[in-house]
Amino acid sequence: GQQLNQSPQSMFIQEGEDVSMNCTSSSIFNTWLWYKQDPGEGPVLLIALYKAGELTSNGRLTAQFGITRKDSFLNISASIPSDVGIYFCAGQLWNAGNMLTFGGGTRLMVKP
Amino acid sequence: DSGVTQTPKHLITATGQRVTLRCSPRSGDLSVYWYQQSLDQGLQFLIQYYNGEERAKGNILERFSAQQFPDLHSELNLSSLELGDSALYFCASSGSTGTGNTIYFGEGSWLTVV
Repeated sequence: GQQLNQSPQSMFIQEGEDVSMNCTSSSIFNTWLWYKQDPGEGPVLLIALYKAGELTSNGRLTAQFGITRKDSFLNISASIPSDVGIYFCAGQLWNAGNMLTFGGGTRLMVKP
Repeated sequence: DSGVTQTPKHLITATGQRVTLRCSPRSGDLSVYWYQQSLDQGLQFLIQYYNGEERAKGNILERFSAQQFPDLHSELNLSSLELGDSALYFCASSGSTGTGNTIYFGEGSWLTVV
């Protein structure tokens, strides 16, 4: 099956710093999505990307859908303590029932 | 609040037992998905139902089964439970199998097998 490689696996940063994480795939997706998961909670959708090359922002978050359809990155600017959590990328194929294939996650820790 | 409701939130059971996890999708959503999240496997797709019919199947064991009822709620049945089945089980829903429908997740059901 398809594999999503997400990096880095974890980051420990100072409050106020910018963060960047990315995902690559061996094959293309129609949609890329970024989710955040807090402990004991379900993944919450942050950003959805629908077109190759698309750059989308949601507050301090910016994500891009790679032009090859095989990669995506997520940037968080001016991190704050509540950014702590696990960030997952996910690829979606429309001809496969819209199911999501997830990356392994990036655990973000922010030091106040 | 995603609008996807899962019960129970926590469940502890013994090996060999059978449990049923329940999911109510967001209002109007026809598709329901089940995912398993364990420490060593990440988020793994199990199965999808659309309007009562199975639509896609992932890494779901033969000991597990699911169904979606006419009112669109879904149940995931886990039988002959093993220690390795301990995980968070998520239900998610979306509007249809049309293009680009956003998938929303419930808060999950924690299953501990002892």
